[in-house]
Amino acid sequence: EPEVTQTPSHQVTQMGQEVILRCVPISNHLYFYWYRQILGQKVEFLVSFYNNEISEKSEIFDDQFSVERPDGSNFTLKIRSTKLEDSAMYFCASRNLYEQYFGPGTRLTVT
Amino acid sequence: QQQVKQSPQSLIVQKGGIPIINCAYENTAFDYFPWYQQFPGKGPALLIAIRPDVSEKKEGRFTISFNKSAKQFSLHIMDSQPGDSATYFCAASKEGGADGLTFGKGTHLIIQP
Repeated sequence: EPEVTQTPSHQVTQMGQEVILRCVPISNHLYFYWYRQILGQKVEFLVSFYNNEISEKSEIFDDQFSVERPDGSNFTLKIRSTKLEDSAMYFCASRNLYEQYFGPGTRLTVT
Repeated sequence: QQQVKQSPQSLIVQKGGIPIINCAYENTAFDYFPWYQQFPGKGPALLIAIRPDVSEKKEGRFTISFNKSAKQFSLHIMDSQPGDSATYFCAASKEGGADGLTFGKGTHLIIQP
């Protein structure tokens, strides 16, 4: 069964450093998403991506964040200058028609 | 911001019982309502979803009930098993376009043997 994959599973970085989180969506899906989940809290929408451009973004997705689909398979989230409060699980999701399928997540720890 | 309110925050049920988790939404433009199951350290896994043209949907032991006029929907788990112990999230979105899901705060469910 096709699934969304994410790398790395855990990323530790120092405050102020740039990080890139990587995702491989399900191959025939057209819509791509990033969400985050702070420990013990709900899943929060960050950004959606369709037809090689951002479709929608939340207020969390400020100028520190960017997304890219550099080739036909990968989808990346970049955080330019990480803050302590960026520590969270980051989930990629993809969708074809209706259902969104989530990857296993990347745990980002900012020290 | 348009919220999805979920209750209860935690729930303990004996094996074989029927846990019920409730959600309420505000945005009348929402027309797609999925439920996700999440185990510790894992991503949310889609369980079942409903659209407002039906009042109930069943898939295996999972049932969604939907009340459009009250803007509420709920998840029932029939014949619950200890393996169902997880955190359950309701969510909502507008089905068309690329809108993200708005999630509830989650329900931590424990099924006791």
